Amino acid sequence: EVQLVESGGGLVQPGGSLRLSCAASGFTFRSYWMHWVRQAPGKGLVWVSRINSDGSSTGYADSVKGRFTISRDNAKNTLYLQMNSLRAEDTAVYYCARDQTVNYGMDVWGQGTTVTVSS
Amino acid sequence: QSALTQPASVSGSPGQSITISCTGTSSDVGGYKYVSWYQQHPGKAPKLMISEVSNRPSGVSNRFSGSKSGNTASLTISGLQAEDEADYYCSSYTSSSTLVFGGGTKLTVL
Repeated sequence: EVQLVESGGGLVQPGGSLRLSCAASGFTFRSYWMHWVRQAPGKGLVWVSRINSDGSSTGYADSVKGRFTISRDNAKNTLYLQMNSLRAEDTAVYYCARDQTVNYGMDVWGQGTTVTVSS
Repeated sequence: QSALTQPASVSGSPGQSITISCTGTSSDVGGYKYVSWYQQHPGKAPKLMISEVSNRPSGVSNRFSGSKSGNTASLTISGLQAEDEADYYCSSYTSSSTLVFGGGTKLTVL
């Protein structure tokens, strides 16, 4: 079964850091681009970041550029999102998602992990 | 990058057809074929319904179709069913090599 499972969310104080992980299974992880998408409570989807299949190219939304870093370990079939200098507005459910065929269509999603930034 | 513009809500009766619009600019929707549509039920992860403007992934009902004209993309759902009630989001690749989502549309099946 094709599956993505996120972990690493939790409560963190403003200015703090958190690293999210996304474990992939059921498909050849190293062949796919991957994305992070977030959704604040009661709000819409917001794209956060993407990484190409070998990790050599990344992209970020302006709202997280310079604070978040996407990476991957193809040997471990795992995607990461390092989040630094966290703000209250980063509070959201964070989803990892697989890019269908480098067409920015995300065909496999995880269940999401919740990040709450609050003092 | 501003969010793409979608109507906040649309509604229709079972069996009817509805269309959800997604308006951007020539720097996103109008400039690229990488427009996708997602369905999200409450408390669930999004599901890809349409990619590359009009391509339907395997397993998605042929009642769902996508199109684009200029800077506006559209999702049409025909033969509306109760289980179609959900939030729908469009997304587009942008000239900044990023991705932008629409604000979302709540579909109510009357």
